[in-house]
Amino acid sequence: GAVVSQHPSWVICKSGTSVKIECRSLDFQATTMFWYRQFPKQSLMLMATSNEGSKATYEQGVEKDKFLINHASLTLSTLTVTSAHPEDSSFYICSASDPLGTEAFFGQGTRLTVV
Amino acid sequence: GNSVTQMEGPVTLSEEAFLTINCTYTATGYPSLFWYVQYPGEGLQLLLKATKADDKGSNKGFEATYRKETTSFHLEKGSVQVSDSAVYFCAFLPETSYDKVIFGPGTSLSVIP
Repeated sequence: GAVVSQHPSWVICKSGTSVKIECRSLDFQATTMFWYRQFPKQSLMLMATSNEGSKATYEQGVEKDKFLINHASLTLSTLTVTSAHPEDSSFYICSASDPLGTEAFFGQGTRLTVV
Repeated sequence: GNSVTQMEGPVTLSEEAFLTINCTYTATGYPSLFWYVQYPGEGLQLLLKATKADDKGSNKGFEATYRKETTSFHLEKGSVQVSDSAVYFCAFLPETSYDKVIFGPGTSLSVIP
């Protein structure tokens, strides 16, 4: 089946630095990708919808200047956590859905720890 | 709007017990339905899915049937094992192309020997 690859799988960074997370669709074109965040012992919260060639659509309460999303090609979306702080520590997961709307494919997730 | 209601946890069962986790959804049309599992410290894994009414998804002894009339997709397993301890998410994909998955809150399952 289709695969979505996310990198890195974990990262530790210092407060104030920026971290980039990549999400690639390996064998299909994804005009739309999604970024989720998961807090400990909670469900996945949709952060934003990444649209190829246009601006991302952010969910209410998500700071677009804090979480920069770029979807420059049909197979790659990136999420950059800018000026990271300890409260940004979380599990971030990307996904893409197939054109038939019958299945969603998830990346492996990225565990971000800001120290 | 679109939403998923899922049985509250945590659920604790003895090994070989019967498992049911209830799930109902609110959506228009015929969404695709999923159960995802997340083991401690790991990402999401697709456990099973059903894409049309009356379909039964099954995998690793788990089953769920797409019930359009009750908008439900309850997860069942006849005999759970310790290795089934994880968080289970009911979810659906709306009947439109390239859409996002709507997740339930998750149900934590602990199976004790």
